[in-house]
Amino acid sequence: DQQVKQNSPSLSVQEGRISILNCDYTNSMFDYFLWYKKYPAEGPTFLISISSIKDKNEDGRFTVFLNKSAKHLSLHIVPSQPGDSAVYFCAARGSGSARQLTFGSGTQLTVLP
Amino acid sequence: EAGVAQSPRYKIIEKRQSVAFWCNPISGHATLYWYQQILGQGPKLLIQFQNNGVVDDSQLPKDRFSAERLKGVDSTLKIQPAKLEDSAVYLCASSLDLGGGYNEQFFGPGTRLTVL
Repeated sequence: DQQVKQNSPSLSVQEGRISILNCDYTNSMFDYFLWYKKYPAEGPTFLISISSIKDKNEDGRFTVFLNKSAKHLSLHIVPSQPGDSAVYFCAARGSGSARQLTFGSGTQLTVLP
Repeated sequence: EAGVAQSPRYKIIEKRQSVAFWCNPISGHATLYWYQQILGQGPKLLIQFQNNGVVDDSQLPKDRFSAERLKGVDSTLKIQPAKLEDSAVYLCASSLDLGGGYNEQFFGPGTRLTVL
């Protein structure tokens, strides 16, 4: 039962253009959504989050949009840079006492110079 | 500030052998997590500690996996005996407990386990 899904395993974008990574979820009880970035041989690093009561959060070149009615969130990177090439994981936090994170399977972003 | 430390970085064992992984979280972080990441999948939570108590171990295969966090600081995860399907990267993460909002989880580099 995949509660968090990233349906695109990979995405290639030209440098300077916009990258849009998508994520769908099924559990309406998630209270926070997050994006993590992972380089090879390193652990994931936190990128940006959004509360379930908001629909947009922006941090520099990164913006996360949340559409609760569609149970969909997306990460926009503008402008994309070669250093953004990494695997991006979408994650959602449960609202129970443990507040555990459920991760999607990841999208490999490649930004071409 | 030092990050989350894990060792070893790589381990190769044969099936039915046992293996142990070690994690030292960021100083002062009360919550510690062990994740299993199988190739092509996202990290899956195995166990979550708050100080030295278990908060959630619902996805830990308790017939072969065990974990402890003595003195509420570093932690070990053990697999005994290992199966082929245990081949994965084992990630440790830690976070502060500030209450409310989202407490960022900081991940270590992981231990890549290969079971032959």
